[in-house]
Amino acid sequence: DQQVKQNSPSLSVQEGRISILNCDYTNSMFDYFLWYKKYPAEGPTFLISISSIKDKNEDGRFTVFLNKSAKHLSLHIVPSQPGDSAVYFCAASGDGGSNYKLTFGKGTLLTVNP
Amino acid sequence: GAGVSQSPSNKVTEKGKDVELRCDPISGHTALYWYRQRLGQGLEFLIYFQGNSAPDKSGLPSDRFSAERTGESVSTLTIQRTQQEDSAVYLCASSLARASIYNEQFFGPGTRLTVL
Repeated sequence: DQQVKQNSPSLSVQEGRISILNCDYTNSMFDYFLWYKKYPAEGPTFLISISSIKDKNEDGRFTVFLNKSAKHLSLHIVPSQPGDSAVYFCAASGDGGSNYKLTFGKGTLLTVNP
Repeated sequence: GAGVSQSPSNKVTEKGKDVELRCDPISGHTALYWYRQRLGQGLEFLIYFQGNSAPDKSGLPSDRFSAERTGESVSTLTIQRTQQEDSAVYLCASSLARASIYNEQFFGPGTRLTVL
């Protein structure tokens, strides 16, 4: 039973355009959400996060939007660059007292074409 | 600066054998986590260590899996009598201070385990 879902296994965009990666969750106890980026043969690296008390967090070219009522979040990358090509994982935490446990989605492979 | 390191990077073993995977966290990081990622799946939480507290082993899939940590340094994940379903990438992460979602988890490159 997947509590964090990334329904698009892959996404391809042109350089300079916007990339939108989506994530849905089912557990209403989640109150903190993170995006990690992973290159081949490397571990995931933290990208950006958002607390459930906010609906938007921005860091440079990366913006995460949270819609609590829809249990949906999205990562926007503008403008997309070829170096952004990687697998992006959505993760959530805050389930009761074990807030250090991250529950991950299956990831979305983003390809940014020059 | 050194990040989280894991060894070996790849391990191929025969069904029924025991394997040991090693993780060296970032110096000063008191929290250490193990995850695994099976093919086509997201990362699954396995175990969490924080200082000298009892570890949270709630994610370990069976009693064939165990992990130890020496103080606030090296950790080993042991899988006994490996099965083909254990084939996965095993990832270790560490973070500062006590358990907190605001402490970013830094991941190692993982150990790819293949059980034949």
